[in-house]
Amino acid sequence: AQRVTQPEKLLSVFKGAPVELKCNYSYSGSPELFWYVQYSRQRLQLLLRHISRESIKGFTADLNKGETSFHLKKPFAQEEDSAMYYCALSDQGAQKLVFGQGTRLTINP
Amino acid sequence: DAGVIQSPRHEVTEMGQEVTLRCKPISGHNSLFWYRQTMMRGLELLIYFNNNVPIDDSGMPEDRFSAKMPNASFSTLKIQPSEPRDSAVYFCASSSLPGTGQFFGPGTRLTVL
Repeated sequence: AQRVTQPEKLLSVFKGAPVELKCNYSYSGSPELFWYVQYSRQRLQLLLRHISRESIKGFTADLNKGETSFHLKKPFAQEEDSAMYYCALSDQGAQKLVFGQGTRLTINP
Repeated sequence: DAGVIQSPRHEVTEMGQEVTLRCKPISGHNSLFWYRQTMMRGLELLIYFNNNVPIDDSGMPEDRFSAKMPNASFSTLKIQPSEPRDSAVYFCASSSLPGTGQFFGPGTRLTVL
């Protein structure tokens, strides 16, 4: 069965410090991985897709099939990065997503 | 495009009342998803449609919940009768091609008293 695990419910770092939000998955096929961000009382927004290998708002994520991970990283955190972050997985060719439980990131000034 | 549109944005009702949530997906998107978000359970997929046909409704909690998609531009999620434990934010999302991700609406915050 597909499963996404975000081991940290809460993560707090200081402004300017590096950030890493962990995401591990279990899936036997070829998954497609995503990161979504939800700012306070707003809709979920697509942040990153692993297939596009892009950097959005300074965030990057690399799919590591050996470790079955898709960690989200940013070298220098900014206060506006404070939000809820969700990692999600879909079967290749499918549109249904399986979401992790989310990590609430707080950037302290 | 205005993105996924949901109405109402907020709904407060009393236990036992019928609640209908509405969603208009992004034009051209052929898949539509209904989610429920709570502090305790996080984000849960309730049901999703492909080309207006329900594909997976295994996340619908009980028979009190029903969803329809009469055409490509409109879907409803109905709760009848509503209960206090249904209080949550309900999100609708749509997508087009696999691998492109889903695009979420602003959500409906439901409070059942």
